[in-house]
Amino acid sequence: AQSVTQLDSQVPVFEEAPVELRCNYSSSVSVYLFWYVQYPNQGLQLLLKYLSGSTLVKGINGFEAEFNKSQTSFHLRKPSVHISDTAEYFCAVSFMEYGNKLVFGAGTILRVKS
Amino acid sequence: EAGVVQSPRYKIIEKKQPVAFWCNPISGHNTLYWYLQNLGQGPELLIRYENEEAVDDSQLPKDRFSAERLKGVDSTLKIQPAELGDSAVYLCASSSGVGTEAFFGQGTRLTVV
Repeated sequence: AQSVTQLDSQVPVFEEAPVELRCNYSSSVSVYLFWYVQYPNQGLQLLLKYLSGSTLVKGINGFEAEFNKSQTSFHLRKPSVHISDTAEYFCAVSFMEYGNKLVFGAGTILRVKS
Repeated sequence: EAGVVQSPRYKIIEKKQPVAFWCNPISGHNTLYWYLQNLGQGPELLIRYENEEAVDDSQLPKDRFSAERLKGVDSTLKIQPAELGDSAVYLCASSSGVGTEAFFGQGTRLTVV
């Protein structure tokens, strides 16, 4: 079955510190990978996506993610976080062998402290 | 360009009553998704349309939930009768095809009392 696992439900971090939010997915022949952010009482917004090419992708707000096919992972990173990055982050995987089925992880709440 | 539009934003109903949610996707997007999001959890797919065809409805509780996408554009999700456990946010999203990102609406927050 297609599944996406976000290993941390909450990640507390101090402002200006680096952060990594982890995402693993069930093995599949072909996938497209996404990270979305959800601020309180707002809809989901796309942060970045991996479709093909370079395994390191850069997104908005200084975030980047690296696709690791052998480990079936797509971890999200930011070298220096701001208070305004406090939000919930969702990893999503489109499993192409299931016809563009988009499956989400349970989410990771990033809490940035001053 | 207008985004995905959902209505209503909030709905409070008594259990056993019917309720309907409406979604207008981004113009030209063939793929439409309905997701359910419980508090503290990720979105869970209810149904996916390619144009007017429901291609994945395996997670839709068909005894009480129904959906339609007339003419491959707008979509309606209905619950009849609603149960207390249906309280959640219902999200609609659309995309232009394989390998493209899904754009989400603001969601409808349903409270069943």
